[in-house]
Amino acid sequence: EIVLTQSPATLSLSPGERATLSCRASQSVDSYLAWYQQKPGQAPRLLIYDAFNRATGIPARFSGSGSETDFTLTISSLEPEDFAVYYCHQRLNWPWTFGQGTKVEIK
Amino acid sequence: QVQLQESGPGLVKPSGTLSLTCSVSGGSLSSYYWGWIRQPPGKGLEWIGYIYPSGDNNYNPSLKSRVTISVDTSKNQFSLKLNSVTTADTAVYYCARGPRLDYWGRGALVTVSS
Repeated sequence: EIVLTQSPATLSLSPGERATLSCRASQSVDSYLAWYQQKPGQAPRLLIYDAFNRATGIPARFSGSGSETDFTLTISSLEPEDFAVYYCHQRLNWPWTFGQGTKVEIK
Repeated sequence: QVQLQESGPGLVKPSGTLSLTCSVSGGSLSSYYWGWIRQPPGKGLEWIGYIYPSGDNNYNPSLKSRVTISVDTSKNQFSLKLNSVTTADTAVYYCARGPRLDYWGRGALVTVSS
C-alpha cells in the first residue's frame, strides 16, 4: 500500500498569506495525485487532479505541482473560506489512499 | 449537475450488517467508477472499494472479507454491505464518483452500537 505523508499537520496563517502544503508518497504515484478540501460537516471537495489540473470552478489561487513522490498544493493568497483541512490522494495503485490531512487554521 | 445521496440505517448493532445505498441523479453510471469512502469521527479518509457499471469491482484488502459493493443501473444506484461490524466501523460513509472523486454525497453517519 502506498503511504502518503502530509506536512505540516497544521499550518497557522493569516488571510492574504501564502500557504504551501506538502504530500510525499512512499513510492512513485506518477502524476495520479489529487488534492481535496474538507470543511467541518461537509464532504471533501476536489481541488486539483493529476497533480496540477484545477477542477471545475476552483479559483486560480489554488495550484498543484510535483510528480513521482513529491507534491505541493499552493494557495497563493488565503481567503477566509480557505481555512479547512486538505487531503492528498493517490490513484495509481490499489488500494487508493489518502494522506492524513493538513489543517490550515487562522493565526 | 450530478448529485449523489446516501441512504440507510444510521444505527447498526455489533456483529450486524451495515447497508447503504447511493442514488445518483443528473447523470448516468456509465463510464465512471463509483466508490465508497469512510471517515471515522475526527479522523482521516479510508477507501472501502469501488464498482464499475459492468460489475467489476475492487475492495480494500483490509475490508475485503466483509465488503460487498453492487450496482443497479436500472435504478441509477449502487450499494454497500459491510458485515460483522464492530464499533471500529462507526464512521461517516461517503459515496463518490471516480476515478477523480469529483462528485460526493453529503455523507451518512453510521454508528455501531448495541
